[in-house]
Amino acid sequence: QVQFVESGGGLVKPGGSLRLSCAVFGFPFSDSYMSWIRQAPGKGLQWISYISRSGDDIYYADSVRGRFTMSRDNTKNSVYLQMNSLRPEDTAVYFCAQGHLNLNHWGRGILVTVSS
Amino acid sequence: EIVLTQSPDFQSVTPKEKVTITCRASQSIDSALHWYQQKPDQSPKLLIKYASQSLSGVPSRFSGSGSGTDFTLTINSLEAEDAATYYCHQSSTLPITFGQGTRLDIK
Repeated sequence: QVQFVESGGGLVKPGGSLRLSCAVFGFPFSDSYMSWIRQAPGKGLQWISYISRSGDDIYYADSVRGRFTMSRDNTKNSVYLQMNSLRPEDTAVYFCAQGHLNLNHWGRGILVTVSS
Repeated sequence: EIVLTQSPDFQSVTPKEKVTITCRASQSIDSALHWYQQKPDQSPKLLIKYASQSLSGVPSRFSGSGSGTDFTLTINSLEAEDAATYYCHQSSTLPITFGQGTRLDIK
């Protein structure tokens, strides 16, 4: 059974930072690319980033490049998203997902609210 | 950036009806097109990968077709549990993009 344990969301002021964590179980994590996707309230899905199996290759959407950093720890079956210089438009539910081409399994999502 | 345009944006349908949702890409993406279902307050679920490949555990009434720039998700004999928003997603070219979504309501 595939299971995601996500943490790290919350309310932060503009310009602040948050680190999201996503631990996964039930599939071969170290053999899987992983992705972050977000969904602003009442809006559609937006791809943020993906990371290769080893962590050597990471790609970002233009809207977050230079502010967000994705990483992984294969010993902990976990991926992370370090978010700096947060803006109100970063307010969204952040999903981690298995894969980078087709996204096979998704976590439940973490709410991040950027507001003063 | 490849833009995916879905139609319709919204559809109200009756059970047992056949539903067709289209997704048009702004340039050719071969078959690198995937479909997801998202029910309210849930995370998306992969329904169809690579335009037409079905997935274990997904009801057989869901099917996909197309290649290049024009794609279709078909739901045969709609059931009440199919009320959801459906998204297409392309993985041909970075940045990865999603369609704007199609919301299906059941009458």
